[in-house]
Amino acid sequence: GDSVTQMEGPVTLSEEAFLTINCTYTATGYPSLFWYVQYPGEGLQLLLKATKADDKGSNKGFEATYRKETTSFHLEKGSVQVSDSAVYFCALKNSNSGYALNFGKGTSLLVTP
Amino acid sequence: EAGVAQSPRYKIIEKRQSVAFWCNPISGHATLYWYQQILGQGPKLLIQFQNNGVVDDSQLPKDRFSAERLKGVDSTLKIQPAKLEDSAVYLCASSLAGSSTDTQYFGPGTRLTVL
Repeated sequence: GDSVTQMEGPVTLSEEAFLTINCTYTATGYPSLFWYVQYPGEGLQLLLKATKADDKGSNKGFEATYRKETTSFHLEKGSVQVSDSAVYFCALKNSNSGYALNFGKGTSLLVTP
Repeated sequence: EAGVAQSPRYKIIEKRQSVAFWCNPISGHATLYWYQQILGQGPKLLIQFQNNGVVDDSQLPKDRFSAERLKGVDSTLKIQPAKLEDSAVYLCASSLAGSSTDTQYFGPGTRLTVL
């Protein structure tokens, strides 16, 4: 079945450092890909999405490109802030699962001043 | 626009007791999802409704879990009897149509602790 694999955390970075969180997927057909973020004490929020190959999703300085050839959707940000400290989840939706989200395990990010 | 509402926010019960969670989706959203998020893991789908019909309940432990969505709006998820391994956050989400591109909006979740 479909699955999502994320890099293990926690990831600790200094403010203004470059961020990459790796995400790869296994799926049949043409899934849509998502990054969700969970800030401390808050619910899951959509960060960005891409619905077809080569699409780039972007929001709040974060970017991710849907790479079908490498089955990847890595999350990047050029300069992280303390306020970006959160848990980040990569997820996919596919027609064979009724379009429910299939999540990775999450990657915890801590940004220090 | 009001978000997805869930109650209660926290619940502590002893094993073998029963518990129920409530979810009110965003107005007009036809699709409703219940996810279970165990500490340190990503959310896992339990059940998906389209209006008041079940689309997918393949991962719902039906011997103890049940869910309903009467009138295609609010939904309740029940556990009876609870086990220690049911300790988790139960998330409700909704979306307009359950398509490949529409966004799922999540509620704040109900944190269940089973002692």
